[in-house]
Amino acid sequence: EVQLVESGGALVQPGGSLRLSCAASGFTFSTYWMNWVRQALGKELEWVANIKQDGSEKFYVDSVKGRFTISRDNAKNSLYLQMNSLRADDTAVYFCARGHVRVATSARFEYWGQGTLVTVSS
Amino acid sequence: QSILTQPPSASGTPGQRVTISCSGSSSNIGSNTVNWYKQLPGTAPKLLIHSYDLRPSGVPDRFSGSSSGTSASLAISGLQSEDEADYYCAAWDDSLNGVVFGGGTKLTVL
Repeated sequence: EVQLVESGGALVQPGGSLRLSCAASGFTFSTYWMNWVRQALGKELEWVANIKQDGSEKFYVDSVKGRFTISRDNAKNSLYLQMNSLRADDTAVYFCARGHVRVATSARFEYWGQGTLVTVSS
Repeated sequence: QSILTQPPSASGTPGQRVTISCSGSSSNIGSNTVNWYKQLPGTAPKLLIHSYDLRPSGVPDRFSGSSSGTSASLAISGLQSEDEADYYCAAWDDSLNGVVFGGGTKLTVL
């Protein structure tokens, strides 16, 4: 059974940092693009970033470029999101989602985690 | 303002057929596959339709997708009470180099 379990969400002050993790199981993690998607309370889904199987390619939504870094550790079947210079509008539930096996340019996310809440507030 | 435009709401009675539209541009729907998601309150989205009109295993054939040019549609036939949820379209955008989602459509079963 495919499972994605996020962790690391917390209350953090504006300007602070946080690292989210996503533990994957039930599939060959190293063969899939992986993604982070977020959703503010009552708002629409917003894709944040994705990363290639070997970590050599990464794409980000403009609003997080230069502040967030996506990474992965295939030996640990884990996906990460390092978030720096956090702002109030980064407050959201952050989901990790399994992407495509071959291409980056896919919005097909067949498996999602349950999400972890990040709140940016003083 | 979302890159992909969906109606904020839709409704129907049990047994009816409803459609939800998703309008984009040549850089997203016009050149990349469209995917549809269903989301119940407080839960993660669930993939309903991928590659325009394909259903993952376990998704009833009451759900179907179509597209034409820079627009796509999700159709739900034989509407059931458990179909009440938020529905999102999504596609890769070649200009933005990222995935774009629609603003979501809240479906109410009357």
